[in-house]
Amino acid sequence: DTEVTQTPKHLVMGMTNKKSLKCEQHMGHRAMYWYKQKAKKPPELMFVYSYEKLSINESVPSRFSPECPNSSLLNLHLHALQPEDSALYLCASRPVGNPQETQYFGPGTRLLVL
Amino acid sequence: AQKITQTQPGMFVQEKEAVTLDCTYDTSDQSYGLFWYKQPSSGEMIFLIYQGSYDEQNATEGRYSLNFQKARKSANLVISASQLGDSAMYFCAMRVVGDQGAQKLVFGQGTRLTINP
Repeated sequence: DTEVTQTPKHLVMGMTNKKSLKCEQHMGHRAMYWYKQKAKKPPELMFVYSYEKLSINESVPSRFSPECPNSSLLNLHLHALQPEDSALYLCASRPVGNPQETQYFGPGTRLLVL
Repeated sequence: AQKITQTQPGMFVQEKEAVTLDCTYDTSDQSYGLFWYKQPSSGEMIFLIYQGSYDEQNATEGRYSLNFQKARKSANLVISASQLGDSAMYFCAMRVVGDQGAQKLVFGQGTRLTINP
C-alpha cells in the first residue's frame, strides 16, 4: 500500500463551524505533514509530525489544530476559519531516516470557507 | 536561507517535443537533495525524480531526466517526447532540515506546462 488518503475531498464550511480533515497512510512512515496551497502557488508547510510528536509549527494560527493520534493517522481540526483560509490542504508522509526518500502526498482536501 | 527559483511561469510545447524546465537553488549546505513534482489539476503532488548533491550522475526516471549542474546551482528537469498528459504544474523543491531534525521541503513557485497537440 503506497497511498496517502485524505477525507473529505471537498469541504464547505461557515466561519463559525468546526470541522476536521483526516489523513491516513499505512506505509509505516513516521513523519507526516500538513500543507496549505492557494491557487497557482506552491504548497506552504503548516505542520510536521515526527514519531507522532509535533516537531514543526510554521507559525500557523491557532484556528488550525493538528493532531496525530497514532502512526497512521493525522488530523487537522478547523475552527472559526476565515474566507482567506480557503485553499487546497495537502497531507504527506515519508519514512524517517532516509534523506533521499520523497514525501508521498495525498490527493488533498479542497476547502471553501464562506 | 535556502531558496528555489523557477523563472518560467508558463511554457507551451508541441506534443512529442522535448522540454526543459529550469530550476536554480541557493544553499550553503554541502549535503542537500533536490526533487521535482508534477501537480495535475486534480491537485495531487506526484514525485518525478530526485538528485542528491553527492550523486555523480544525473538522475533519470523513464522520460524524465535531471540536468544537474552543481557549480551553477541548477537542476533542470528534462521531459523527453512530451505527451498531452504531461500538461500540469511542475515544482522543483529542495530538502532542508528544520527544527528538531525534521526534514521539510522548500518549493519553487512552479512552472505551468501546457502540451499542445
